[in-house]
Amino acid sequence: DSGVTQTPKHLITATGQRVTLRCSPRSGDLSVYWYQQSLDQGLQFLIQYYNGEERAKGNILERFSAQQFPDLHSELNLSSLELGDSALYFCASSARAGRTGETQYFGPGTRLLVL
Amino acid sequence: AQSVTQLGSHVSVSEGALVLLRCNYSSSVPPYLFWYVQYPNQGLQLLLKYTSAATLVKGINGFEAEFKKSETSFHLTKPSAHMSDAAEYFCAVSDAGGTSYGKLTFGQGTILTVHP
Repeated sequence: DSGVTQTPKHLITATGQRVTLRCSPRSGDLSVYWYQQSLDQGLQFLIQYYNGEERAKGNILERFSAQQFPDLHSELNLSSLELGDSALYFCASSARAGRTGETQYFGPGTRLLVL
Repeated sequence: AQSVTQLGSHVSVSEGALVLLRCNYSSSVPPYLFWYVQYPNQGLQLLLKYTSAATLVKGINGFEAEFKKSETSFHLTKPSAHMSDAAEYFCAVSDAGGTSYGKLTFGQGTILTVHP
C-alpha cells in the first residue's frame, strides 16, 4: 500500500459526459501528479500540482482540468468524453516539488471506460 | 526533451535464470532514472532509482541497475528469477530542473514472464 488513495476504482460512462476522479496523496506529501495509461499511448504525464499550484503540464487535453485543494487532495475533471479517453488514470504524490528526484508514490488507479 | 526506450516489449526467462531488462535514455541534462514494477490490476511500485550518487543502484526484491553515462543506459538485472517477478516493468526518466519539475517520462514497458 503506497498510501495514495484514488476513487472511484472503476468508472463507466457514455460519450459526451463529464467525470471527476479524486486523489488523496500520502500524508505530508505536497505534490500530486496525474498520469494516463492507455494501450496505444502508454504511460503519459498529464499535470502536476505542488501545494495547491499548478507546476508542470504535459499532454493534457483542453477538455481535461485538475486542481489541488487546501487539504492537498486533487481532482481530475474529464469532460466531453470520447471513446479514446478510456484508460487507467493514476495519481502519484511526492514530498516536495519534484526537482530532486524524489520518489513518486502511485495510487492504484481509476479505470475509466467510455461507451 | 527526455525520452526512454525499453528494448523488448516481452522478455521470457526460466525460474532461477538471470533477468535483464534493457533501458536507454535520452536527456539534455543530468537525469534521474527510475524502474517501476506494475503487477496486474495494481499501481506502480518503485523498484529503484538513480539520483547521481552511486552508479550501481540496489533496489527491492533483489533487483539492481547500473547507470552507464557513456552508453546512456540503465539496465535492470536480477541474478535469479522468481515466479513472483512476473509483471510489467517500466523505466522512467526525469530531469533535475527547468520547467519539468518531477515529470516522469516512461518507456513503453517490458512484460516479464517467468517459466517454471
